[in-house]
Parts: sequence; structure tokens; C-alpha cells
Amino acid sequence: DAKTTQPNSMESNEEEPVHLPCNHSTISGTDYIHWYRQLPSQGPEYVIHGLTSNVNNRMASLAIAEDRKSSTLILHRATLRDAAVYYCILSQGGSEKLVFGKGTKLTVNP
Amino acid sequence: DSGVTQTPKHLITATGQRVTLRCSPRSGDLSVYWYQQSLDQGLQFLIQYYNGEERAKGNILERFSAQQFPDLHSELNLSSLELGDSALYFCASSRGAGPYEQYFGPGTRLTVT
Repeated sequence: DAKTTQPNSMESNEEEPVHLPCNHSTISGTDYIHWYRQLPSQGPEYVIHGLTSNVNNRMASLAIAEDRKSSTLILHRATLRDAAVYYCILSQGGSEKLVFGKGTKLTVNP
Repeated sequence: DSGVTQTPKHLITATGQRVTLRCSPRSGDLSVYWYQQSLDQGLQFLIQYYNGEERAKGNILERFSAQQFPDLHSELNLSSLELGDSALYFCASSRGAGPYEQYFGPGTRLTVT
């Protein structure tokens, strides 16, 4: 399974944008980039996913580097409810299983 | 609310016993996944079913088995339980076979004493 590298933790302030980085230098052409988050005492929650182009949805934006070796999850205005562990995951083409790493623990300060 | 339901919420049992965890996917979803989350191993993929057939297998022990029924609900059977099997077990569902978003249930917390 292709590996991703994320910072262990990040901090942000409420109502400010947050950029969560992810490195995936061994990504292959058919690997999708997924982001999930897990709030305390809850199951993981889908955030966004993409293959090559940048993606936007109501929760976040995903910016994918041109060489696809890194990506950034952007939360446009952090709220206290966004405090969670964020997982960047690669799924190999043809496989739907998610291989979770340790993720980035995001703290949002009021 | 993801639309995925799991029962029971909590389960406490003794070593050597057998338990069954149940999952109902979101309406219309054909794929069901099982994941285990423990403190030392993090979130691990166990197994996936798609429309009743096993589609992918992960780090699932031989003591564990699963199935997906014609109505698409799934059950995870854990037998000969050991203390180390204590964990949160999540079920997720997705639309089909492909890189679709997975929706996770609230989990079943299993405690083996």
C-alpha cells in the first residue's frame, strides 16, 4: 500500500483557514487521494477525494500538486467542530479499502 | 448521522466466547466494509463485501468471519475471543465498487474480559 506522511499535529484559530499537508511521493497514476476525519468518540467521516484535479465540496477543498506527490486539504474557515484527526489516504486503483495511518490531530483554538 | 447503523453499541464478553456484530448499510449502498480500531494498532481494514460477495480482505484473523446477506446487511462474527480483540469495530458502506466515499457507522465497542 502506498504511504502517506502527515504532521502529527497542527493548531489553528477559529474562523481562520487551515492547510493540512500530506506527502505521498510513491503515488502511482491510478491512486486516488482521500481525506477522512475522525471527531472524538465518532466513526471516521468522509471529507473529500480526488485523482488529479483540485476538488471542492461544501466541507473543504483538495489541492493536488502537479506531480501528485503531495496534496493539501484546505478548510476555509475553521470552527471548533473541525477539531479532529485528519487522515490522508491513498487507495490503489481498483481497490476500495482504506489504509489509515496516524493522521494529523487538528486543534482549533477559540 | 451517516445512515449506517450498527448494533449493538457496546458489548462486554469473556475470553473464549463468540459474538456477532451487525451492520445495516445506507439505503442503496452495495459495498460494506469492516474496520477495527484499537489503541495500539489504529484503524485497520478487515474485510469488504460487494453485493453479497467478498471483494477484499485485509488484516482479518482466521477466528473472525463476515458475510453480507441478500438484503445487504452484514454481520461480523468474532470467535474464541481474546483480550486483544477489545476494540472499536466500525462498519462503513459505499455506493458500489469504485473509489466512492465511505460512510461509517457509530461503531460497536467490544470489551473482552
